[in-house]
Amino acid sequence: DVKVTQSSRYLVKRTGEKVFLECVQDMDHENMFWYRQDPGLGLRLIYFSYDVKMKEKGDIPEGYSVSREKKERFSLILESASTNQTSMYLCASNLDSNYGYTFGSGTRLTVV
Amino acid sequence: DQQVKQNSPSLSVQEGRISILNCDYTNSMFDYFLWYKKYPAEGPTFLISISSIKDKNEDGRFTVFLNKSAKHLSLHIVPSQPGDSAVYFCAAQAGGGTSYGKLTFGQGTILTVHP
Repeated sequence: DVKVTQSSRYLVKRTGEKVFLECVQDMDHENMFWYRQDPGLGLRLIYFSYDVKMKEKGDIPEGYSVSREKKERFSLILESASTNQTSMYLCASNLDSNYGYTFGSGTRLTVV
Repeated sequence: DQQVKQNSPSLSVQEGRISILNCDYTNSMFDYFLWYKKYPAEGPTFLISISSIKDKNEDGRFTVFLNKSAKHLSLHIVPSQPGDSAVYFCAAQAGGGTSYGKLTFGQGTILTVHP
């Protein structure tokens, strides 16, 4: 089974801090995605990557950046955390466009 | 603009009865649809999917129906079980080589199945 691992289940950070959320997949998947889940809004795409060092903005990229230096690892960076970035963050990957996603367990981030 | 909409935030059903979850979409480029199930503190897991060339797909207790002309799909769970209680997300994918399988999700519906 493909595994997508998010390094932290819960994080509490202060406003203005730089925050790194890490995601690792173990099945050589081409594409990786970062979403945030908020009540009433569902899952919204922040950024995705279709190859090493390649990235594209999703629907809500403001305040975020990403890094994919190795195929298996996709990092989400909050440049200067704000309280409206308090959310559940979900990482996902797929082999290619013919396959659905495998999700990680999520990181619950609270910005105080 | 919400391209995939689940207009019912919650649904409550008795064990053994049918659960029907609905989803509407606006983007005509969507050609593949999926349902995911999510328990608290876990990532979503794939449940069932349907291609736009079909109007029905069945997998055990789960059936998805697609009405392309109405841009509507529904998930039927028969019979419903307490373990089905979770948040259900509808998702859609547009075809094309540069889509990379990117999914657009609805807001989710919280299903509660009472014993």
